Amino acid sequence: QSALTQPPSVSGSPGQSVTISCTGTSSDFGNYNRVSWYQQPPGTAPKLMIYEVTNRPSGVPDRFSGSKSGNTASLTISGLQAEDEANYYCSSYTSNTHIVFGGGTKLTVL
Amino acid sequence: QVQLQQSGPGLVKPSQTLSLTCAISGDSVSSNSRTWSWIRQSPSRGLEWLGRTYYRSKWYSDYAASVKSRITITPDTSKNQFSLQLNSVTPEDTAVYFCVRGNYNMDVWGQGTTVTVSS
Repeated sequence: QSALTQPPSVSGSPGQSVTISCTGTSSDFGNYNRVSWYQQPPGTAPKLMIYEVTNRPSGVPDRFSGSKSGNTASLTISGLQAEDEANYYCSSYTSNTHIVFGGGTKLTVL
Repeated sequence: QVQLQQSGPGLVKPSQTLSLTCAISGDSVSSNSRTWSWIRQSPSRGLEWLGRTYYRSKWYSDYAASVKSRITITPDTSKNQFSLQLNSVTPEDTAVYFCVRGNYNMDVWGQGTTVTVSS
């Protein structure tokens, strides 16, 4: 059982926006803003999309954005494109210095 | 461009030791600002952080509680790589194993190695 809770699936049409939530406890997120989001198309390695809650690595489109409120972090993808279809995972640095992941959310672009 | 190249067997017998190596190009395992981790992924357990090694004037390693008694992650500075050893494996250890640069922001991933534990 994953420490962080994500919805199993979300969907949206091209051009729309979708938001994926990631819920944990205070010990999962703590006072750290070290939440990351990863994109994983089937059969490939995960790719870092968001780090430290809101930051995008170089090369990640600004259609991807992150936020956090209390014990829930969120990934929003605006202007959905077919290529965004993948599994998405959140992760957090926990109070015992280890890393926990969410169970993953399958994004379907209709 | 940083790349991580994994190597190691895809089949391990129960009770034996799983050993994987991750060769680093474009960065240094001895960097004072980098962390080098192992992650695994299976349908039953999802993504699971296993542990990490890093150099901050001396070498450190720490591990997930779920595997702490069985795991060792070691750097090899002469070959610029790091390795995973997981002892006393069971079928529950069947997974895709990834080596990764980073800890809470894992920005470079190896290609993944599918490891099956079976006799």
